[in-house]
Amino acid sequence: QVQLVQSGAEVKKPGASVKVSCKASGYSFTSYGFGISWVRQAPGQGLEWMGWTIPYNSDTKYAQNLQGRVIMTTDTSTSTAYMELRSLRSDDTAVYYCARDPGGFDIWGQGTMVTVSS
Amino acid sequence: DIVMTQTPLSLSVTPGQPASISCKSSQSLLHSDGKTYLYWYLQKPGQPPQLLIYEASNRFSGVPERFSGSGSETDFTLKISRVEAEDVGVYYCLQSIQLRTFGGGTRVEI
Repeated sequence: QVQLVQSGAEVKKPGASVKVSCKASGYSFTSYGFGISWVRQAPGQGLEWMGWTIPYNSDTKYAQNLQGRVIMTTDTSTSTAYMELRSLRSDDTAVYYCARDPGGFDIWGQGTMVTVSS
Repeated sequence: DIVMTQTPLSLSVTPGQPASISCKSSQSLLHSDGKTYLYWYLQKPGQPPQLLIYEASNRFSGVPERFSGSGSETDFTLKISRVEAEDVGVYYCLQSIQLRTFGGGTRVEI
């Protein structure tokens, strides 16, 4: 079945970077119509779209408030997407989700908790 | 940027009764390809969101028939014909015509 499996929880200090992985299976990762979006959810808050990457051509788009701090990449040889967030702050503490994006988000990863604390 | 506004913020419902959630967008979500890029999700406690409705009015695979989506351009509605206990959680709308933006969420409780 189609699934996205994310890497495990992370604890980072302010100013550090974190890289979360999202391994896809059950579908053609590089098919033209499928992107991978990243969404985060701070504790007790709503959902925030962070950006997307298109494995087919490596195109990326980032939310304006994260420009310059986030990098989204893919490794087509392993069907894995990555989201790296730099210069972490306490308000980056959140659950980070990847989701398959054929225009909306139909399949989601299980989420990765990232805690930023000194 | 497109702003998505959901109402109400929270909803207390009785099992077996209907429920309705509104989502308004600041710009039309109707694309020149004829599709309307509006989606509905339910996030149950401790779980990732799950897709309920895609392109405004199409139920996703496995979604019960009691869920329906309607609306056009900028005004959309998610309806639950008869609420069940398993429907509790937070409902979100999402636009994907221009990047992606979520609504603020509607908490549904029994």
